[in-house]
Amino acid sequence: QVQLVETGGGLVRPGNSLKLSCVTSGFTFSNYRMHWLRQPPGKRLEWIAVITVKSDNYGANYAESVKGRFTISRDDSKSSVYLQMNRLREEDTATYYCSRGWFAYWGQGTLVTVSA
Amino acid sequence: DIQMTQSPSSLSASLGERVSLTCRASQDIGSSLNWLQQEPDGTIKRLIYATSSLDSGVPKRFSGSRSGSDYSLTISSLESEDFVDYYCLQYASSPLTFGAGTKLELK
Repeated sequence: QVQLVETGGGLVRPGNSLKLSCVTSGFTFSNYRMHWLRQPPGKRLEWIAVITVKSDNYGANYAESVKGRFTISRDDSKSSVYLQMNRLREEDTATYYCSRGWFAYWGQGTLVTVSA
Repeated sequence: DIQMTQSPSSLSASLGERVSLTCRASQDIGSSLNWLQQEPDGTIKRLIYATSSLDSGVPKRFSGSRSGSDYSLTISSLESEDFVDYYCLQYASSPLTFGAGTKLELK
Protein backbone atom coordinates (compact mmCIF):
# COMPACT_ATOMS: atom_id res chain seq x y z
CA GLN A 1 0.00 0.00 0.00
CA VAL A 2 1.02 3.59 -0.55
CA GLN A 3 2.90 5.09 2.38
CA LEU A 4 4.50 8.47 2.97
CA VAL A 5 6.51 9.05 6.14
CA GLU A 6 7.89 12.45 7.08
CA THR A 7 10.82 12.83 9.45
CA GLY A 8 13.17 15.55 10.57
CA GLY A 9 10.93 17.86 12.55
CA GLY A 10 11.88 19.32 15.89
CA LEU A 11 12.67 22.46 17.85
CA VAL A 12 14.94 24.96 16.15
CA ARG A 13 16.03 28.52 16.91
CA PRO A 14 15.02 31.38 14.63
CA GLY A 15 17.53 31.87 11.84
CA ASN A 16 18.66 28.26 11.89
CA SER A 17 18.09 25.48 9.35
CA LEU A 18 16.33 22.13 9.27
CA LYS A 19 15.88 19.47 6.60
CA LEU A 20 12.74 17.38 6.35
CA SER A 21 12.52 14.04 4.58
CA CYS A 22 9.56 12.17 3.19
CA VAL A 23 10.22 8.53 2.42
CA THR A 24 7.63 6.83 0.26
CA SER A 25 6.72 3.29 -0.73
CA GLY A 26 4.02 1.36 -2.52
CA PHE A 27 4.11 3.23 -5.83
CA THR A 28 6.50 4.26 -8.61
CA PHE A 29 7.83 7.42 -7.00
CA SER A 30 9.56 8.71 -10.12
CA ASN A 31 6.22 9.03 -11.93
CA TYR A 32 4.72 11.58 -9.55
CA ARG A 33 5.18 15.21 -8.66
CA MET A 34 5.48 15.69 -4.93
CA HIS A 35 4.34 18.49 -2.65
CA TRP A 36 5.16 19.89 0.75
CA LEU A 37 2.39 21.58 2.71
CA ARG A 38 2.11 22.81 6.27
CA GLN A 39 -0.43 23.67 8.93
CA PRO A 40 0.38 26.13 11.71
CA PRO A 41 -1.31 25.29 15.03
CA GLY A 42 -5.03 26.05 14.82
CA LYS A 43 -4.78 27.42 11.28
CA ARG A 44 -5.61 26.32 7.77
CA LEU A 45 -3.44 24.16 5.58
CA GLU A 46 -0.91 25.97 3.37
CA TRP A 47 0.74 24.65 0.21
CA ILE A 48 4.43 25.57 0.17
CA ALA A 49 6.29 23.70 -2.56
CA VAL A 50 6.08 21.24 -5.46
CA ILE A 51 8.69 19.37 -7.47
CA THR A 52 7.91 17.81 -10.81
CA VAL A 53 9.29 14.67 -12.41
CA LYS A 54 12.43 14.00 -14.43
CA SER A 55 10.68 14.54 -17.76
CA ASP A 56 9.79 18.04 -16.56
CA ASN A 57 13.37 18.65 -15.45
CA TYR A 58 12.51 18.36 -11.78
CA GLY A 59 11.03 21.84 -11.88
CA ALA A 60 10.14 23.41 -8.53
CA ASN A 61 7.65 26.03 -7.50
CA TYR A 62 7.19 27.72 -4.12
CA ALA A 63 4.77 29.78 -2.13
CA GLU A 64 5.91 33.37 -1.66
CA SER A 65 6.11 32.85 2.09
CA VAL A 66 9.02 30.41 1.69
CA LYS A 67 10.57 31.38 -1.64
CA GLY A 68 14.31 31.99 -1.30
CA ARG A 69 14.47 30.24 2.10
CA PHE A 70 13.15 26.73 1.43
CA THR A 71 14.32 24.26 -1.23
CA ILE A 72 12.46 21.16 -2.33
CA SER A 73 14.42 18.27 -3.83
CA ARG A 74 13.95 14.61 -4.58
CA ASP A 75 15.94 11.40 -4.94
CA ASP A 76 14.06 8.99 -7.17
CA SER A 77 16.51 6.19 -6.28
CA LYS A 78 15.40 6.51 -2.65
CA SER A 79 11.74 7.28 -3.37
CA SER A 80 12.16 10.35 -1.21
CA VAL A 81 11.43 14.04 -1.30
CA TYR A 82 13.11 16.61 0.88
CA LEU A 83 12.55 20.12 2.17
CA GLN A 84 15.59 22.15 3.14
CA MET A 85 14.45 25.01 5.35
CA ASN A 86 16.87 27.88 5.95
CA ARG A 87 16.57 31.16 7.85
CA LEU A 88 13.64 29.78 9.81
CA ARG A 89 11.18 32.17 11.44
CA GLU A 90 8.74 31.71 14.29
CA GLU A 91 5.90 31.87 11.77
CA ASP A 92 7.27 28.71 10.13
CA THR A 93 6.11 26.76 13.17
CA ALA A 94 3.73 24.14 11.80
CA THR A 95 3.11 20.50 11.09
CA TYR A 96 4.67 19.75 7.73
CA TYR A 97 3.15 17.22 5.35
CA CYS A 98 4.27 15.69 2.08
CA SER A 99 1.69 14.63 -0.47
CA ARG A 100 1.70 12.84 -3.79
CA GLY A 101 0.51 14.10 -7.12
CA TRP A 102 -3.02 15.43 -6.87
CA PHE A 103 -3.14 14.92 -3.10
CA ALA A 104 -4.59 11.41 -3.04
CA TYR A 105 -2.02 10.41 -0.42
CA TRP A 106 -0.53 12.25 2.54
CA GLY A 107 2.02 11.55 5.20
CA GLN A 108 1.20 11.76 8.89
CA GLY A 109 3.10 15.03 9.29
CA THR A 110 6.14 16.15 11.26
CA LEU A 111 6.07 19.08 13.69
CA VAL A 112 8.55 21.92 13.30
CA THR A 113 8.74 24.43 16.13
CA VAL A 114 10.77 27.59 15.65
CA SER A 115 11.32 29.30 18.95
CA ALA A 116 14.02 31.06 20.88
CA ASP B 1 -3.71 34.39 -5.60
CA ILE B 2 -7.06 32.61 -5.74
CA GLN B 3 -9.00 33.00 -2.50
CA MET B 4 -11.16 30.12 -1.35
CA THR B 5 -13.91 31.27 1.00
CA GLN B 6 -15.21 28.28 2.92
CA SER B 7 -18.44 28.25 4.89
CA PRO B 8 -19.55 27.61 7.48
CA SER B 9 -16.47 27.63 9.70
CA SER B 10 -18.28 25.30 12.06
CA LEU B 11 -21.47 23.32 11.82
CA SER B 12 -23.41 21.56 14.56
CA ALA B 13 -25.48 18.66 13.25
CA SER B 14 -27.11 15.41 14.29
CA LEU B 15 -26.50 11.82 13.30
CA GLY B 16 -28.38 11.00 10.11
CA GLU B 17 -28.68 14.64 9.09
CA ARG B 18 -27.81 15.88 5.59
CA VAL B 19 -25.28 18.72 5.49
CA SER B 20 -23.51 20.78 2.85
CA LEU B 21 -20.25 22.70 3.06
CA THR B 22 -19.33 25.33 0.49
CA CYS B 23 -16.20 26.91 -0.97
CA ARG B 24 -16.43 29.96 -3.18
CA ALA B 25 -13.52 30.63 -5.52
CA SER B 26 -12.43 34.21 -6.17
CA GLN B 27 -11.42 33.32 -9.75
CA ASP B 28 -12.29 30.63 -12.24
CA ILE B 29 -10.83 27.29 -11.16
CA GLY B 30 -12.88 25.09 -13.48
CA SER B 31 -13.12 21.63 -11.93
CA SER B 32 -9.77 21.83 -10.14
CA LEU B 33 -10.99 21.36 -6.60
CA ASN B 34 -10.47 18.69 -3.97
CA TRP B 35 -12.22 18.09 -0.68
CA LEU B 36 -10.07 16.81 2.18
CA GLN B 37 -10.96 15.41 5.57
CA GLN B 38 -8.69 15.90 8.59
CA GLU B 39 -8.92 13.82 11.73
CA PRO B 40 -8.11 15.23 15.20
CA ASP B 41 -4.71 13.48 15.11
CA GLY B 42 -3.84 15.36 11.92
CA THR B 43 -4.40 12.52 9.47
CA ILE B 44 -5.52 13.91 6.11
CA LYS B 45 -7.58 12.02 3.55
CA ARG B 46 -8.83 13.13 0.16
CA LEU B 47 -12.55 12.51 -0.29
CA ILE B 48 -13.38 14.18 -3.59
CA TYR B 49 -11.18 15.16 -6.54
CA ALA B 50 -11.92 17.20 -9.63
CA THR B 51 -14.98 18.72 -7.95
CA SER B 52 -17.21 15.66 -8.00
CA SER B 53 -15.23 12.42 -8.33
CA LEU B 54 -15.36 10.19 -5.27
CA ASP B 55 -12.08 8.70 -4.13
CA SER B 56 -11.82 4.93 -3.90
CA GLY B 57 -13.01 3.62 -0.56
CA VAL B 58 -14.85 6.80 0.38
CA PRO B 59 -18.45 6.14 1.42
CA LYS B 60 -21.11 7.09 -1.10
CA ARG B 61 -22.78 9.40 1.39
CA PHE B 62 -20.11 11.94 0.37
CA SER B 63 -20.60 13.87 -2.85
CA GLY B 64 -19.21 16.98 -4.54
CA SER B 65 -20.82 19.47 -6.87
CA ARG B 66 -20.38 22.88 -8.45
CA SER B 67 -22.66 25.81 -9.17
CA GLY B 68 -20.76 28.61 -10.82
CA SER B 69 -17.94 29.59 -8.49
CA ASP B 70 -19.48 27.73 -5.55
CA TYR B 71 -18.24 24.24 -4.80
CA SER B 72 -20.06 22.03 -2.34
CA LEU B 73 -19.37 18.92 -0.32
CA THR B 74 -22.55 17.16 0.76
CA ILE B 75 -22.81 14.40 3.32
CA SER B 76 -26.19 12.75 2.83
CA SER B 77 -26.55 11.09 6.23
CA LEU B 78 -24.05 11.88 8.94
CA GLU B 79 -22.33 9.07 10.76
CA SER B 80 -20.28 9.36 13.94
CA GLU B 81 -16.91 9.26 12.16
CA ASP B 82 -17.84 12.27 10.00
CA PHE B 83 -17.54 14.78 12.86
CA VAL B 84 -14.08 16.06 11.99
CA ASP B 85 -12.61 18.90 9.92
CA TYR B 86 -13.01 19.47 6.18
CA TYR B 87 -11.01 21.61 3.75
CA CYS B 88 -11.32 22.50 0.11
CA LEU B 89 -8.20 22.86 -2.03
CA GLN B 90 -7.95 24.53 -5.44
CA TYR B 91 -5.18 23.37 -7.73
CA ALA B 92 -6.07 25.34 -10.84
CA SER B 93 -3.23 27.78 -10.42
CA SER B 94 -0.21 28.40 -8.25
CA PRO B 95 -0.10 29.07 -5.43
CA LEU B 96 -2.49 26.29 -4.57
CA THR B 97 -4.85 27.53 -1.88
CA PHE B 98 -7.10 26.06 0.77
CA GLY B 99 -10.33 27.12 2.36
CA ALA B 100 -10.20 27.99 6.04
CA GLY B 101 -11.88 24.74 7.01
CA THR B 102 -15.17 23.57 8.46
CA LYS B 103 -15.38 21.88 11.83
CA LEU B 104 -18.32 19.50 11.91
CA GLU B 105 -19.62 19.00 15.45
CA LEU B 106 -22.14 16.60 16.91
CA LYS B 107 -25.24 18.35 18.18
